[in-house]
Amino acid sequence: EPEVTQTPSHQVTQMGQEVILRCVPISNHLYFYWYRQILGQKVEFLVSFYNNEISEKSEIFDDQFSVERPDGSNFTLKIRSTKLEDSAMYFCASSGRTDYNEQFFGPGTRLTVL
Amino acid sequence: GQQVMQIPQYQHVQEGEDFTTYCNSSTTLSNIQWYKQRPGGHPVFLIQLVKSGEVKKQKRLTFQFGEAKKNSSLHITATQTTDVGTYFCYNQGGKLIFGQGTELSVKP
Repeated sequence: EPEVTQTPSHQVTQMGQEVILRCVPISNHLYFYWYRQILGQKVEFLVSFYNNEISEKSEIFDDQFSVERPDGSNFTLKIRSTKLEDSAMYFCASSGRTDYNEQFFGPGTRLTVL
Repeated sequence: GQQVMQIPQYQHVQEGEDFTTYCNSSTTLSNIQWYKQRPGGHPVFLIQLVKSGEVKKQKRLTFQFGEAKKNSSLHITATQTTDVGTYFCYNQGGKLIFGQGTELSVKP
């Protein structure tokens, strides 16, 4: 069964450093998403991506964040200068032909900012 | 702005008891999706409801979408320990918003 994969599973970084979280969505999917979940809290939408551009983003997704699909298979989330409050689980998800479709989530990357 | 409220926040039940979580929106929803997240896991899609008054069943799970498309419910009949987790409702129309979830614990 196809699945979304994410690497690394756990990333530890120093405050102020840049991090790149990587995702490989399901191969024939067209819509891609990033979410974050701070420990003990709900899942929060960050950004959606379609046709090589951002289609929607939340207030959380400020200038410190960027997304890219560099090679047709990977989908990355970059945080330019990490803050302590960026510590969270980051989930990537993808969905199929339409936006109103079930999303398949990856296992997540736990980001710890020290 | 649009808000999706989910109640209750926590529910502890004895195995075999029923469980219901409710999702309420301040505005009309184009659709509602339900996801389950096991402890330490990632959200997994359960169902999508689109039509006013729609009811869908998956074994012991019954999902309803209100007539006004402003609320939805998930009901589990005769809970089992495998039902443990957090259940989220999710609206994918316009801003993508998760409810805060209902955490279900089941005592054997």
